[in-house]
Amino acid sequence: AQTVTQSQPEMSVQEAETVTLSCTYDTSESNYYLFWYKQPPSRQMILVIRQEAYKQQNATENRFSVNFQKAAKSFSLKISDSQLGDTAMYFCAFIGLRAGSYQLTFGKGTKLSVIP
Amino acid sequence: GAGVSQTPSNKVTEKGKYVELRCDPISGHTALYWYRQSLGQGPEFLIYFQGTGAADDSGLPNDRFFAVRPEGSVSTLKIQRTERGDSAVYLCASSLSPGGGTEAFFGQGTRLTVV
Repeated sequence: AQTVTQSQPEMSVQEAETVTLSCTYDTSESNYYLFWYKQPPSRQMILVIRQEAYKQQNATENRFSVNFQKAAKSFSLKISDSQLGDTAMYFCAFIGLRAGSYQLTFGKGTKLSVIP
Repeated sequence: GAGVSQTPSNKVTEKGKYVELRCDPISGHTALYWYRQSLGQGPEFLIYFQGTGAADDSGLPNDRFFAVRPEGSVSTLKIQRTERGDSAVYLCASSLSPGGGTEAFFGQGTRLTVV
């Protein structure tokens, strides 16, 4: 079974600054995807960024980038130039690639507040 | 529709009552998922449909929970004899195909409160 751990229940950052959210996971699978989702008060989960485990290059999407350390099973999210609209819950998630593996496993989330 | 639509947005029901939660996935998406998000937790998997069939219902907590997708589009999550512990946000997601290779799009969820 997979587990995803987010050890920071809450974080805050000044507008325009950079913040890093931590995530560790445990799995016996060698091929998988990792995700960061954003959940604003509207409750809708929005995909922020995705990383394929077999790719060594860290994924980047505009102001969002990840630091993927496969051996350490670590997958942190860096948000640069933080904006007020980044205030939300952030969830780290895992999905394996073996046959029949279709469910996302989520961490408990980190509540990020961007302070003006 | 443009996105995944869930109705109702909020539902308050009395303990012991029956409820139905509806999910309209993105047109053409064959994979549909239900998750439950309790307060202060991440979403937890309930059930996955590929087309009309439930391909994986291993996350359903007990036999009071049931879900259908009769025509391979709209899905209904049904909860019988509701209990206060069923109170949570129920999220639906859909994707073009199953697995992590294609993005899953989520609806805004139904907040169920059992009083």
